[in-house]
Amino acid sequence: EAQVTQNPRYLITVTGKKLTVTCSQNMNHEYMSWYRQDPGLGLRQIYYSMNVEVTDKGDVPEGYKVSRKEKRNFPLILESPSPNQTSLYFCASSPRGDPNTEAFFGQGTRLTVV
Amino acid sequence: GENVEQHPSTLSVQEGDSAVIKCTYSDSASNYFPWYKQELGKRPQLIIDIRSNVGEKKDQRIAVTLNKTAKHFSLHITETQPEDSAVYFCAAVDGGATNKLIFGTGTLLAVQP
Repeated sequence: EAQVTQNPRYLITVTGKKLTVTCSQNMNHEYMSWYRQDPGLGLRQIYYSMNVEVTDKGDVPEGYKVSRKEKRNFPLILESPSPNQTSLYFCASSPRGDPNTEAFFGQGTRLTVV
Repeated sequence: GENVEQHPSTLSVQEGDSAVIKCTYSDSASNYFPWYKQELGKRPQLIIDIRSNVGEKKDQRIAVTLNKTAKHFSLHITETQPEDSAVYFCAAVDGGATNKLIFGTGTLLAVQP
């Protein structure tokens, strides 16, 4: 089954404790991105990747890191989480190395930083 | 860069009525405009999209219109049903070097039975 898989689905952590949210897609998509969803603000892009070893900042990259060592995986890293990073996070992928086609979203990760 | 505004933020209709959600964008170079539906607790999923060389596209009860001159596009849902209740997001591709999707802030549609 074609899908984008994120883990974990829910995470509660403490301020400053490094964490990683994993994202994996099995559709051989080149384009992958991370979004955060907050009430009244919609989906805001954190980072995106056009291909392996190619990543760039989105609109709200502060406090986040990503890597793209393999085509299928695009982990989101929070080196020192803070309460303002409490949010719902989505990973997404698109075919052909550009977003001008359907973006497939993961099931979401609800992160709470206390 | 691209900026997308979406209205209204909430919309309540009676079952069977029509619903219209409107979005405006700022970058005249944008050429792809998708709409996503997000049911409660679920992931966003594409329901319809339109490209800049087309003025209107329809798929059963949903349709999207695009006015490139005015830089706005709209989602139309006819004969609404309770299962249409969800948050709807419009988006536009940033026509600049980033070539990324910029989403509107979402519309919560409630269809009252």
